[in-house]
Amino acid sequence: DIVMTQSPDSLALSLGERATINCKSSQSVLNSSNNKNYLAWYQQKPGQPPKVVIYWASTRESGVPDRFSGSGSGTDFTLTISSLQAEDVAVYYCQQYYSTPLLTFGGGTKVEI
Amino acid sequence: QVQLVQSGAEVKKPGASVKVSCKASGYTFSNHGMGWVRQAPGQGLEWMGWINNYNGDTNYAQKFHDRVTITTDTSTRTVYMELRTLRYDDTAVYYCARGSSWSTPYYMDAWGKGTTVTVSS
Repeated sequence: DIVMTQSPDSLALSLGERATINCKSSQSVLNSSNNKNYLAWYQQKPGQPPKVVIYWASTRESGVPDRFSGSGSGTDFTLTISSLQAEDVAVYYCQQYYSTPLLTFGGGTKVEI
Repeated sequence: QVQLVQSGAEVKKPGASVKVSCKASGYTFSNHGMGWVRQAPGQGLEWMGWINNYNGDTNYAQKFHDRVTITTDTSTRTVYMELRTLRYDDTAVYYCARGSSWSTPYYMDAWGKGTTVTVSS
C-alpha cells in the first residue's frame, strides 16, 4: 500500500496568515504517461463530511476560494491557504489515487485559529 | 444538485452485521462509481471499498475484504455496504462518496452526511 504521511499534525495561526500543510507519499504518485499527480486534498469541518478542495495535486474544485492552492510532484505535496479565514478551520487530508482502486489517506492536519 | 442520502444510525452487538444504504440523486448514476469510507471517533479517514455502478465490479481494501460487501441497485439508484462480524473497533461514521469517474475511484467529489454505527454489547 502507498502510505501517506502528513505534517504537521496540527497548526494554529492567526487570521490572514499563510497555512502550509505537507503530504509525503511512500512512492511516487506521478503517472509518467499523462504527467499527472494522482493526489487530492479534502477539507473536513467539525461535524461535516469531507469535501474535496484540490485534485490532480493542483486543480482547485469548483467553488473553492482561490486562497487554496496545491503544489508538488512525485512524492512531496503541499496545500497552501494563502490568507487564513475563520471558515477555514478544519482538518485537511491528502489522498492518493495512483493505486486506484486502492486509495489511501493521510492522517490529517488540524488547522486552528 | 448531487445528493447522497444515507440511512440512519445503527446500534449492533458484536458479531452481528450491519447494512448501510446510500441513495443517489441529481446525476447520471452509472457515470460514477461509489466508494465507502469510515471514520472512527476522533480518527482519520479509512478507505473500505468501491463499486462500479456501470458494470457492478467491486474492489475492497485488504483489511475488509473478507467482511464487507458493496452492492448496487440501479433501479433505485441505491448503493449498499454490508459489514459482517462486527467488532467494537468497527464503531465509526460510515460515509458513501461518489467517485469522480465511472471506471475507477480517483478522488471523491460528493459525500453523504454519514451513518453512525455503534457496536456495543
